[in-house]
Amino acid sequence: GAVVSQHPSWVICKSGTSVKIECRSLDFQATTMFWYRQFPKQSLMLMATSNEGSKATYEQGVEKDKFLINHASLTLSTLTVTSAHPEDSSFYICSARDPYEQYFGPGTRLTVT
Amino acid sequence: AQSVTQPDIHITVSEGASLELRCNYSYGATPYLFWYVQSPGQGLQLLLKYFSGDTLVQGIKGFEAEFKRSQSSFNLRKPSVHWSDAAEYFCAVGAVSYDKVIFGPGTSLSVIP
Repeated sequence: GAVVSQHPSWVICKSGTSVKIECRSLDFQATTMFWYRQFPKQSLMLMATSNEGSKATYEQGVEKDKFLINHASLTLSTLTVTSAHPEDSSFYICSARDPYEQYFGPGTRLTVT
Repeated sequence: AQSVTQPDIHITVSEGASLELRCNYSYGATPYLFWYVQSPGQGLQLLLKYFSGDTLVQGIKGFEAEFKRSQSSFNLRKPSVHWSDAAEYFCAVGAVSYDKVIFGPGTSLSVIP
């Protein structure tokens, strides 16, 4: 089956710094990728929908200037958490879709100290 | 707006016993429905999906789900649970295929010997 990877799998950063998370579709081209956020023992909350070559569409309540999404190619989308604060600590999951299915990455654990 | 509820936050079953996880959705048209499983430290795995046709859907790992339009439900079932089934289960709904899939709060399944 199709594989979606995320890098890094976990990251610790200091408050005020920025961190970039990569999401790659390894063996298929994904015109659309999605970014989710998951708090401990909670569900996945959709943050934004990313289409290759165009601006991401953010869900209500998600700060687009804090969570920068770039979908530069059909196999890569990046999420940059700018000026991170401890409340941004969470599990970030990306997914990528082909015409038939949506595939999820393993997630990235972000801890902001 | 579409939404998903999973009434049971946590369920404990004995190994070998049958299992039913409940899911109710709210959506104005025919929804696209999914069940995902998330094991500790791992990504989401699609168990099964319903788009149209036969309302009883067979999935992987011996799971099945039944779409009942009159009850707005999509309950997941397994006739005999294995210890390896212990995980978090998410029901999800989408408006069109895999666009903007919204997840339910999840049900945590524990399996006792």
